[in-house]
Amino acid sequence: QKEVEQNSGPLSVPEGAIASLNCTYSDRGSQSFFWYRQYSGKSPELIMFIYSNGDKEDGRFTAQLNKASQYVSLLIRDSQPSDSATYLCAVKPGGTSYGKLTFGQGTILTVHP
Amino acid sequence: ETGVTQSPTHLIKTRGQQVTLRCSSQSGHNTVSWYQQALGQGPQFIFQYYREEENGRGNFPPRFSGLQFPNYSSELNVNALELDDSALYLCASSLAISGSLGEQFFGPGTRLTVL
Repeated sequence: QKEVEQNSGPLSVPEGAIASLNCTYSDRGSQSFFWYRQYSGKSPELIMFIYSNGDKEDGRFTAQLNKASQYVSLLIRDSQPSDSATYLCAVKPGGTSYGKLTFGQGTILTVHP
Repeated sequence: ETGVTQSPTHLIKTRGQQVTLRCSSQSGHNTVSWYQQALGQGPQFIFQYYREEENGRGNFPPRFSGLQFPNYSSELNVNALELDDSALYLCASSLAISGSLGEQFFGPGTRLTVL
């Protein structure tokens, strides 16, 4: 089992729709959870982080965390073509004193007009 | 606020050579992490530097080594390059303080090609 697993893509949604990106993790002691967006040929850009169960909203983005199910998701409302990118889920493991992030393989999102 | 910078942008080396990649952390940040990202994969943690010492290492051989300087900038050195070392190398800076969630901010990366 991979440490961090994301729903296989690519994911294609029409402009204005809700895009749902999912991620599961294996380390039950994980502390913090991050979503990065990576445009083709560019480096990852931090867009959301969450550390407690429930929802966290920031503009069109909502991160959801369920530690009991070891599941974290990212919802993008009113999707725009500019949201087309690879979305990376990253987890900070528990039991470490340093800030290693473990990444999933990424989900490619395409928003078509 | 100054963001994370990396140099060079691109690099082409041949198998067996050595390479040094450089990173300047974001203003106010004291910790630098290095990641390797192969095409189509998520970044893989190489190691982290804090207070000029290695502070955690991923599953990479000893030919991957690093340094952190008093101004928090960092270098990644790779000896005896192999074809599989071809990847995007990412530097991420963060602020290690009590209560920090560990948000890391990436530089633009160095694309290394090994022929």
